[in-house]
This record gives sequence, C-alpha cells and structure tokens, in this order.
Amino acid sequence: EPEVTQTPSHQVTQMGQEVILRCVPISNHLYFYWYRQILGQKVEFLVSFYNNEISEKSEIFDDQFSVERPDGSNFTLKIRSTKLEDSAMYFCASKRGTNSGYTFGSGTRLTVV
Amino acid sequence: GIQVEQSPPDLILQEGANSTLRCNFSDSVNNLQWFHQNPWGQLINLFYIPSGTKQNGRLSATTVATERYSLLYISSSQTTDSGVYFCAVEEDSSYKLIFGSGTRLLVRP
Repeated sequence: EPEVTQTPSHQVTQMGQEVILRCVPISNHLYFYWYRQILGQKVEFLVSFYNNEISEKSEIFDDQFSVERPDGSNFTLKIRSTKLEDSAMYFCASKRGTNSGYTFGSGTRLTVV
Repeated sequence: GIQVEQSPPDLILQEGANSTLRCNFSDSVNNLQWFHQNPWGQLINLFYIPSGTKQNGRLSATTVATERYSLLYISSSQTTDSGVYFCAVEEDSSYKLIFGSGTRLLVRP
C-alpha cells in the first residue's frame, strides 16, 4: 500500500535555529497538508497546499512557517526561527482528490531545546 | 467552524471485552475518518467512512451523516488495541480534516 514518507523521524534543535521537515506524499495525490500535535493534545491543522500554492492556513501558521514543493515529489515545512513551543509531532498528509481519504505519514517529532 | 466531540475521553477494558466509541459533529461533512494513534505516535487510518457501515476484522464503523454522528466498534479487544482513537471530519465548505480530542483506550491483559 502506498505510503507518505516523512524524514527525519526525530529532530532536536536549538531555539532560534531553522528546521526543515521533509515529506514525500503519495505520487498521484494532489492535495498536501501539514498538521501538528503537541504532546497529549489533539491533532491541529497547519496548512493545505494544492496546485503549487497554499489553499488554506491556520492561525498557527504565521510568518515563521513556510511550505514548498520544490521538485514535484517532496513537500517541505520550514520553521525559520524555532521556539520552545514549536516542540511537537508534525504530520504530513496527502489525498488524491476532493472525495478521497487522507493518508498520514509517521510524523517527525521535533524537540526544541 | 465545525465542532467534533468524542466520547468517552478515557476507556479501560479487560482483554476480550467489546466497546463503542462515539464521534458527534456539528455540521454536515463530506469526509469522516477514524484513526488509531499507537504508542509510537503514528496515526493509523482505520476507516474512511463519510456514511454507511464498514467492517475490518474486529473493527467496524457506522456513520449516520443525517444525524451527525459516527460510531467505532471494537470487538474482542486485545492489548495491542490500546492507544488513542481519533475521529476527524472534513466539512462541506473546506478541504481540511478537523480532529476530535480523541478517546484514550487502555486494554488490560
């Protein structure tokens, strides 16, 4: 069964540093997403991406965050200057079409120290 | 925005018992999925079920879209069923999933 692949599985970074989280969505999917989950809390929507542009973003997704699909296969989330409160599990997801289910990756656990 | 409420928030079962988890949502949806988050944090898709009933082994789910709820049934529970079960919906006017707060299940041997 096709998978959404995320790397790295775990990243530790110092406060103020830039991080890039990487995702390879399923190849024939058209909609791409980033979600985050702070430890013990529910999964929160960050941003959706379709047709090479952001289609929707949440209040969490401020100027410190950006997404990119640089080469038609990778989908990245960049946090420019990390804060302690950015520590969370970050999930990438993709879906094929408007009436399709979402497939989630295994997540990247980001720890900011 | 749409509200998603799951009950119960916590559930403890003895191995072999059956259980029903509920998800209520406040508006019409065009997608509903159930996920199991395992102890390693991975979100495992259980069902894509915007309406109707589906079964997969010991698990089954039913969504009654007109009454805005979905149920997840776990039969003959096993210790490996432990974890958090999330319901997530995509409302008609949007193309993003909104998650409930989850049901934390512990199955004891």
